[in-house]
Amino acid sequence: GENVEQHPSTLSVQEGDSAVIKCTYSDSASNYFPWYKQELGKRPQLIIDIRSNVGEKKDQRIAVTLNKTAKHFSLHITETQPEDSAVYFCAGARGSGSRLTFGEGTQLTVNP
Amino acid sequence: DTAVSQTPKYLVTQMGNDKSIKCEQNLGHDTMYWYKQDSKKFLKIMFSYNNKELIINETVPNRFSPKSPDKAHLNLHINSLELGDSAVYFCASSQVVGGTEAFFGQGTRLTVV
Repeated sequence: GENVEQHPSTLSVQEGDSAVIKCTYSDSASNYFPWYKQELGKRPQLIIDIRSNVGEKKDQRIAVTLNKTAKHFSLHITETQPEDSAVYFCAGARGSGSRLTFGEGTQLTVNP
Repeated sequence: DTAVSQTPKYLVTQMGNDKSIKCEQNLGHDTMYWYKQDSKKFLKIMFSYNNKELIINETVPNRFSPKSPDKAHLNLHINSLELGDSAVYFCASSQVVGGTEAFFGQGTRLTVV
């Protein structure tokens, strides 16, 4: 089955800096890669996703890049703000009909 | 107008008891899930139902039994609770399995004492 590894497990940045979280996956047939943000005590919520037919997707201060050859994808957050502090999960799936496998999460702390 | 709602939000119970967690979604999704999040924050899938049929059943003790009376509801019953069952349990739903956004409930923090 799919195995998704996520690094780093913790990340601390200064407000205004950029943050990058990286994930690798094992199943070359995976084609859907969402990112979820989970604030303390809250539910995970989708912030951005990418499908294997594109290499990059942006939404304001967040972007995701995908390298299918190397089987890795990354989340980029620019101009970080204290409210970006949360646990971020990457995930991968083969698409419709398959399970979503989550990475182990990255605790991002943005220091004011 | 909560999309995925689960009850209760907190559950404290003694070892050996039997308890249930209920989940309902009003998004019209065909697929529902139960995830367990342990103290290290890892999200591990337990079960998935599609149109009331079980399609994913991870290596979960058979003390855990999901029930889906209709595609809008997926309940989780746990027998003979153990200390190691303490975790946050999330219900979620999606339009189809795997390839689309999953919407999570607010979680149920289960503490077994």
